[in-house]
Amino acid sequence: QQQVKQSPQSLIVQKGGISIINCAYENTAFDYFPWYQQFPGKGPALLIAIRPDVSEKKEGRFTISFNKSAKQFSLHIMDSQPGDSATYFCAATDRDDKIIFGKGTRLHILP
Amino acid sequence: ETGVTQSPTHLIKTRGQQVTLRCSSQSGHNTVSWYQQALGQGPQFIFQYYREEENGRGNFPPRFSGLQFPNYSSELNVNALELDDSALYLCASSPGSRSTDTQYFGPGTRLTVL
Repeated sequence: QQQVKQSPQSLIVQKGGISIINCAYENTAFDYFPWYQQFPGKGPALLIAIRPDVSEKKEGRFTISFNKSAKQFSLHIMDSQPGDSATYFCAATDRDDKIIFGKGTRLHILP
Repeated sequence: ETGVTQSPTHLIKTRGQQVTLRCSSQSGHNTVSWYQQALGQGPQFIFQYYREEENGRGNFPPRFSGLQFPNYSSELNVNALELDDSALYLCASSPGSRSTDTQYFGPGTRLTVL
């Protein structure tokens, strides 16, 4: 059972554009929502995270928008750069502190 | 770099064999978690160790087992390998046991089961 659904599976954006990746969850017990960035040959690295009592969190060019009632959250990458080309995973943690990952979005920024 | 290393980088085994994967955590990190990442999928939680005790387990059979040592190293052991065990195995270390503690991932071990 996939508890965190992520879309799109892949995304191509022009340099300077906005990249948007969406995630939806079902379990209302989730209480922490991190995003991870993974480059080829590397492990995932924490990018930004949000708690459900906050509707938006911004760190540099990266913003998480969170809609608790809709059980959806999204990652926005402003002024996307070729160096942002990577696979992005949304995730959520359950009551047992286990991290449940989405299937990932492969982002490619055109130069 | 995260300071988390894994060995070996790649490994090829045949069905039914046993394998041991190793991870060296950041010094001072008392928690290590192991994940299985199939091709084109997100990582799936296998189990977590905190101060050498298992501290949580995902939906994986008992043939997946682990150990954590006082020197911040750990092992993932898989017995009776199956073809579906082919994946990238990631370890991640963190200073505490809460999910909100940042986990630092290693580069992974790519296991192929033939």
